Amino acid sequence: GAGVSQSPSNKVTEKGKDVELRCDPISGHTALYWYRQSLGQGLEFLIYFQGNSAPDKSGLPSDRFSAERTGGSVSTLTIQRTQQEDSAVYLCASSLDPGFQETQYFGPGTRLLVL
Amino acid sequence: RKEVEQDPGPFNVPEGATVAFNCTYSNSASQSFFWYRQDCRKEPKLLMSVYSSGNEDGRFTAQLNRASQYISLLIRDSKLSDSATYLCVVKSTGGFKTIFGAGTRLFVKA
Repeated sequence: GAGVSQSPSNKVTEKGKDVELRCDPISGHTALYWYRQSLGQGLEFLIYFQGNSAPDKSGLPSDRFSAERTGGSVSTLTIQRTQQEDSAVYLCASSLDPGFQETQYFGPGTRLLVL
Repeated sequence: RKEVEQDPGPFNVPEGATVAFNCTYSNSASQSFFWYRQDCRKEPKLLMSVYSSGNEDGRFTAQLNRASQYISLLIRDSKLSDSATYLCVVKSTGGFKTIFGAGTRLFVKA
């Protein structure tokens, strides 16, 4: 079946512009996560959705970052007034059930470069 | 101190070798533990969950030591295809925040 998809796969933008990153989770997966991975670094948790609600958004680095999820499916991560330090790979993952032994399935990521 | 710490490596081993990675975590309330594998410029994929009693999946064995707050991954009879970055992952009870270690790089050479 279809896996997690993300778009765009690559995005180059100028400092100060806003960007929107999209994630399409696996159908039926109620849990959705956003992560950021900088070059040579581990994954940094950004936000978690259960359905359309975000019970944990503790990882969002600043108020320039926001995310929403609609219809319990597609999610959009928005970065306003982008800065060069926002350059990273943004990964989305979904899971069927965020329980004790969940498996998170990752999308291929969006590579964001802020010039 | 990072919540999850791993030796970044790289570990360079010959085919057929046995190699072990350790990972330490700081939150004693952590309840779920995993190893993920990430190939170069690819997304992470679940390798195995780590159970309290330890568990094995083919050539891979994972162990959990709650008292010392570390988990380990043992790979036996290494293959060239095992070359990747291995990510230690921890989740806390009742929480959704998933903490990934920075990863340990493994190179298996012929």
